[in-house]
Amino acid sequence: AQKVTQAQTEISVVEKEDVTLDCVYETRDTTYYLFWYKQPPSGELVFLIRRNSFDEQNEISGRYSWNFQKSTSSFNFTITASQVVDSAVYFCALSARNAGNMLTFGGGTRLMVKP
Amino acid sequence: DAGVIQSPRHEVTEMGQEVTLRCKPISGHNSLFWYRQTMMRGLELLIYFNNNVPIDDSGMPEDRFSAKMPNASFSTLKIQPSEPRDSAVYFCASSLATGAGQYFGPGTRLTVT
Repeated sequence: AQKVTQAQTEISVVEKEDVTLDCVYETRDTTYYLFWYKQPPSGELVFLIRRNSFDEQNEISGRYSWNFQKSTSSFNFTITASQVVDSAVYFCALSARNAGNMLTFGGGTRLMVKP
Repeated sequence: DAGVIQSPRHEVTEMGQEVTLRCKPISGHNSLFWYRQTMMRGLELLIYFNNNVPIDDSGMPEDRFSAKMPNASFSTLKIQPSEPRDSAVYFCASSLATGAGQYFGPGTRLTVT
């Protein structure tokens, strides 16, 4: 069985603050993939990043960065210098090899960035 | 390139009516997924296909729901008869391979009155 936990249901920050969204996962598989998706108020689900279980290098893309730590089964997402347009629900997801292509989603974290 | 295409974008129907949702995956993707999103239950996987073959339909809530994928470029999700509790946003997603990212369509917002 696999499980993804996003303990923060809502986060509110003021523009330009840095914010970290937590994601903790559980799987018995040694080969798995982790994802982050963004769901803005318009409702679509936007793919942000994919990491595989063998690559623990942190990744930075503009103001976004991701910290993958197998030792703590975490895949946290940081937005630097947040902007109002970052306001959305963010989902962390897991796909384990033995689960085929199936994604297990966390419950999501609603981020509100205020001007 | 076009992303995943879903139609209709909004559907309002009365209880008891048949509803058909449509999806065109990204060309070349061999896996297709149907999800349902509600406030109460979040994102739930209903069914997924690999190379047009249904692989896991354990998420399909009951016999009123059925899904087909007659070819690599088209899938339908049908609800017959529809009930108010089926009201949700239904997403279709496709991916290239196991472990690859899933790309979602814009969703169909279904309201059953």
